Amino acid sequence: AQTVTQSQPEMSVQEAETVTLSCTYDTSESNYYLFWYKQPPSRQMILVIRQEAYKQQNATENRFSVNFQKAAKSFSLKISDSQLGDTAMYFCAFMKPSNFGNEKLTFGTGTRLTIIP
Amino acid sequence: DSGVTQTPKHLITATGQRVTLRCSPRSGDLSVYWYQQSLDQGLQFLIQYYNGEERAKGNILERFSAQQFPDLHSELNLSSLELGDSALYFCASGSGRSNEKLFFGSGTQLSVL
Repeated sequence: AQTVTQSQPEMSVQEAETVTLSCTYDTSESNYYLFWYKQPPSRQMILVIRQEAYKQQNATENRFSVNFQKAAKSFSLKISDSQLGDTAMYFCAFMKPSNFGNEKLTFGTGTRLTIIP
Repeated sequence: DSGVTQTPKHLITATGQRVTLRCSPRSGDLSVYWYQQSLDQGLQFLIQYYNGEERAKGNILERFSAQQFPDLHSELNLSSLELGDSALYFCASGSGRSNEKLFFGSGTQLSVL
């Protein structure tokens, strides 16, 4: 079974600064997907970024980028030029693809990020 | 807007009661997943349906059941409710073709009093 660990329960950073959220995972699979989801106070789960394990290039979505270290089983999220709207709970998640359409996400416990004005 | 619709947004009920949560997936998506988010358990996968058939089961209690209908909407039935069942219940949908992304609804907040 896969496990996802987020060791930082809470973080805070000044607006416009850069912050990095950590995530490690454990799996014996070679092909998988990794995700970061954001859950703002509205409690909606919003997909931030996705990484395919077979791709060496780190995924980037505007101010959000990841540092994917497959050998170390590490998947950190970097938020550049942080904004007040980035204040949210951030969840790291793992998915093992399947030919049977029964993939599921395994989530970490989350990191609560607060952007300070 | 993720395109996944969940109703109702809030539900308040008493212990021992039964409730039904509804989810309509994004247009074209065949897979529906149910997750429970609680303070002590975090986000837990409950069950998944693909085109009307159960495909995967997670930490779902025997008091809970689900189904997916021919129009692909899904319902999660929770019975003999206990205080500990109070949680935010999410539905997510995916294409079912080696799902690469899951999109979540806004959730149903269940409060059992």
